[in-house]
Amino acid sequence: EVQLLQSGGGLVQPGGSLRLSCAASGFTLSDYAINWVRQAPGKGLEWVSLISASGGTSYYADAVKGRFAVSRDNVKNTVYLEMNNLRAEDAAIYYCARDPRVSTIGNWFDPWGQGTLVTVSS
Amino acid sequence: EIVMTQSPATLSVSPGERATLSCRASQSVNINVAWYQQKPGQAPRLLIYRASTRATGIPARFSGSGSGTEFTLTITGLQSEDSAVFFCLQYHSWPPFTFGQGTKLEI
Repeated sequence: EVQLLQSGGGLVQPGGSLRLSCAASGFTLSDYAINWVRQAPGKGLEWVSLISASGGTSYYADAVKGRFAVSRDNVKNTVYLEMNNLRAEDAAIYYCARDPRVSTIGNWFDPWGQGTLVTVSS
Repeated sequence: EIVMTQSPATLSVSPGERATLSCRASQSVNINVAWYQQKPGQAPRLLIYRASTRATGIPARFSGSGSGTEFTLTITGLQSEDSAVFFCLQYHSWPPFTFGQGTKLEI
């Protein structure tokens, strides 16, 4: 079964840092681009970041540019989202989601990871 | 940035009836729209991509239509398990990818 398995997340103080992980199961992660999408409690979906299959290209939403960094370790079959200088408005469930087509970017997202909760509070 | 506007915000429909959900783009996105269903505590599930192509395993009761700026998700023969929030996504012009704000469907 094709799955994305997420870990990381938790409670962090404003200004703090956190790293989220997204691991692949049932497919070769290095063949696919990965997106990060977040959802504040009770709110809609907001795209955060995209990294290409090779890791050579990445994109960010303006709200996180300069604070978040996406990377990948294709040997470990894992993508990471490093979040720095976290703010209250970054609190959300973070999902990783795969581009559905091999070696392409800019398509719909499928499948999605189970999500991980990030809480930013003192 | 392309803004996706969904309507209505909430839709209440009886079992067995049809639901029509709308999504409007602030500029043309061709057919580069996907629809997702999200139930409480779960990740979004892909229903439709390329505006009208059903994802694997999605029942024929779910159908999508539209192009340009106007898109519709239609669900026929509504069942209680269809209760969820539905989101549209445009992937025509990015970054950023943008979602609609969601329509809550109550059965």
